Amino acid sequence: QVQLQESGPGLVKPSETLSLSCSVSGASISRYYWTWIRQPPGKGLEWIGYVYYSGSTHYNPSLKSRVTMSVDTSKNQFSLKLDSVTAADTAVYYCVRWKSGSYFDSWGQGTLVTVSS
Amino acid sequence: DIQMTQSPSPLSASVGDRVIITCQASQDINNDLNWYQQKPGKAPKLLIYDVSNLETGVPSRFSGSRSGTDFTLTISSLQPEDIATYYCQQYDSAPFTFGPGTTVDLK
Repeated sequence: QVQLQESGPGLVKPSETLSLSCSVSGASISRYYWTWIRQPPGKGLEWIGYVYYSGSTHYNPSLKSRVTMSVDTSKNQFSLKLDSVTAADTAVYYCVRWKSGSYFDSWGQGTLVTVSS
Repeated sequence: DIQMTQSPSPLSASVGDRVIITCQASQDINNDLNWYQQKPGKAPKLLIYDVSNLETGVPSRFSGSRSGTDFTLTISSLQPEDIATYYCQQYDSAPFTFGPGTTVDLK
C-alpha cells in the first residue's frame, strides 16, 4: 500500500520560501507522476503542479513563477518550493500520486502551512 | 482554464435517500473526470475515476455517469458514513481543476 507523508515548517513568514518534502513508501518514485495540491482553510482544492522522476514538471500557471518541484530518487522523496509567499498561500498542502495520467489515488495526510509574521 | 461547477450545495438528505450531485465542465473534457470524497480534517479520497469506474474498495452504492459536459455522482442509498464533501475534478487539460465541492449533510 502506498503511503505519502509531508514534512516541513508549519509557519512561514511573508515574502519567504515555503519548502515541503514528501516521503513515499510502498511505491517507487520512479514509476509515477507526483503532485502537490493545496486547500486553503474552509475552501476548495487547487492543483499546484506535478513532477516526474526524470525532472519533468508542469505547474499551474497561476503559481508558475513561484513554484519549483523536484524529485530525489535516492530517498524516494519529492519536494515543493513556493517563493515569495503571502497570506493567500496559507493552506493545507497535500502530496499526491497521479496515476495513469488520470486520477489522484494516494494522498498524504496533508500539512497546514500558515503564512504569518 | 477549464471551469468546473457543481450543484447543489449544500445538499441535505436522509439516510436511505438517493442522492445526485451534478458537475458541469465549461468545455468538452471527454471522459476525463474523477470524483473525490472528503471528510472533515481528512485528505480527499478517490471514489470514481474516468466518469464511472469505481475505485477499489468503494461501495457499489456510488456510481457516476456523463451526458456531454454534465457529469453526475449518484449515491443510491445514503448512509451515515457518506456525510462528506464531494469534489469533481477534470484532467483533460492542465491546469487540472476541481469543482467547488458539494457538502452532503443529514436532513
